[in-house]
Amino acid sequence: GAVVSQHPSRVICKSGTSVKIECRSLDFQATTMFWYRQFPKQSLMLMATSNEGSKATYEQGVEKDKFLINHASLTLSTLTVTSAHPEDSSFYICSARVPGGSGNEQFFGPGTRLTVL
Amino acid sequence: AQSVAQPEDQVNVAEGNPLTVKCTYSVSGNPYLFWYVQYPNRGLQFLLKYITGDNLVKGSYGFEAEFNKSQTSFHLKKPSALVSDSALYFCAVSASSNDYKLSFGAGTTVTVRA
Repeated sequence: GAVVSQHPSRVICKSGTSVKIECRSLDFQATTMFWYRQFPKQSLMLMATSNEGSKATYEQGVEKDKFLINHASLTLSTLTVTSAHPEDSSFYICSARVPGGSGNEQFFGPGTRLTVL
Repeated sequence: AQSVAQPEDQVNVAEGNPLTVKCTYSVSGNPYLFWYVQYPNRGLQFLLKYITGDNLVKGSYGFEAEFNKSQTSFHLKKPSALVSDSALYFCAVSASSNDYKLSFGAGTTVTVRA
């Protein structure tokens, strides 16, 4: 199956700093990637849809100036958490859709655990 | 709008017994349905999907699920559970449109005791 990687897997930062998380499709080109946020023992909440070469589409209630998304190539999308605060601590997961794949199937990265002190 | 309900937060079974994780959905149009499994501090692993065709779908690790249109359900089943099946399971739905978004259920924690 299609493989999606994320880097870093874990990051700890001080409040007020910015953190960048990378999501890569390793063996396919992904025109569409998705960013999710997951709180402990809860479901995945879609934050935004990342489209290669265009602006991301954010879900209602997600601050686009705080969660910057860049999809500069067909294999890489980045999520930058700007001026991070402790409430931004969470598990961030990306996924990618295989172009031409059936049924809107998405392949998920392993996730990034962000802890803001 | 599309949504998924997983009515059970937790399912506990003994190893070797059948395992069922329930899922119902709501979507406009034809549904695409998925089951994913998540182990601690890991991303989601794909188990199986229903797109069209046979209502009984077989997936990875001996799991299967049955699409029931009249009951709008897509329950996950495994005839004989293993301790290693203990994990968090998510059901997801997408409409057969082109926005590609998945909506996830709240998740069900499965614990299989030896």
